[in-house]
Amino acid sequence: DADVTQTPRNRITKTGKRIMLECSQTKGHDRMYWYRQDPGLGLRLIYYSFDVKDINKGEISDGYSVSRQAQAKFSLSLESAIPNQTALYFCATGSTDTQYFGPGTRLTVL
Amino acid sequence: GENVEQHPSTLSVQEGDSAVIKCTYSDSASNYFPWYKQELGKRPQLIIDIRSNVGEKKDQRIAVTLNKTAKHFSLHITETQPEDSAVYFCAARGAGSYQLTFGKGTKLSVIP
Repeated sequence: DADVTQTPRNRITKTGKRIMLECSQTKGHDRMYWYRQDPGLGLRLIYYSFDVKDINKGEISDGYSVSRQAQAKFSLSLESAIPNQTALYFCATGSTDTQYFGPGTRLTVL
Repeated sequence: GENVEQHPSTLSVQEGDSAVIKCTYSDSASNYFPWYKQELGKRPQLIIDIRSNVGEKKDQRIAVTLNKTAKHFSLHITETQPEDSAVYFCAARGAGSYQLTFGKGTKLSVIP
């Protein structure tokens, strides 16, 4: 599953800082997704994109923004991080039904 | 929007026994139901999926059943092994959508 990569893998930041999480894929998929995972809450969709010109809000988009720089790259930004954004963030890609997840980024906001 | 409920949240079984995890969904138009397995510290990985035109699907020790009338689907693992210990997530996708709505997960522990 090295086809979907995320950087950084771990990040500790402070309240109010801007942070960007990056996702790259070599699967050639059009669709890319950002999820947030919290203990006991499962995976919740933040944003998704079907191509470079198509960006859509998910279930919990407040406080986040995204950029689809190319078919293979999809970035998630926290403009002003807050402690309740501490979570595990996953990028995923898909072409038809199946979604393939990246290794995740563990973000801690102090 | 779609809502997916998953039960139980935790499940412990003896090695060799069967495990069953159940999910219900709210959107009767949903037509695709995948199951993901997430081992500790790893990414979720698809283990099996089913579409609305099929009632059951099997892959070795894993099976999924779908009851469209009742709007629920279940994951069945037979002859459980310690390596089956993980968190399992169900999900549902609405018709005409490429978004998945996930359940909150079931932590399965297989006791040797």
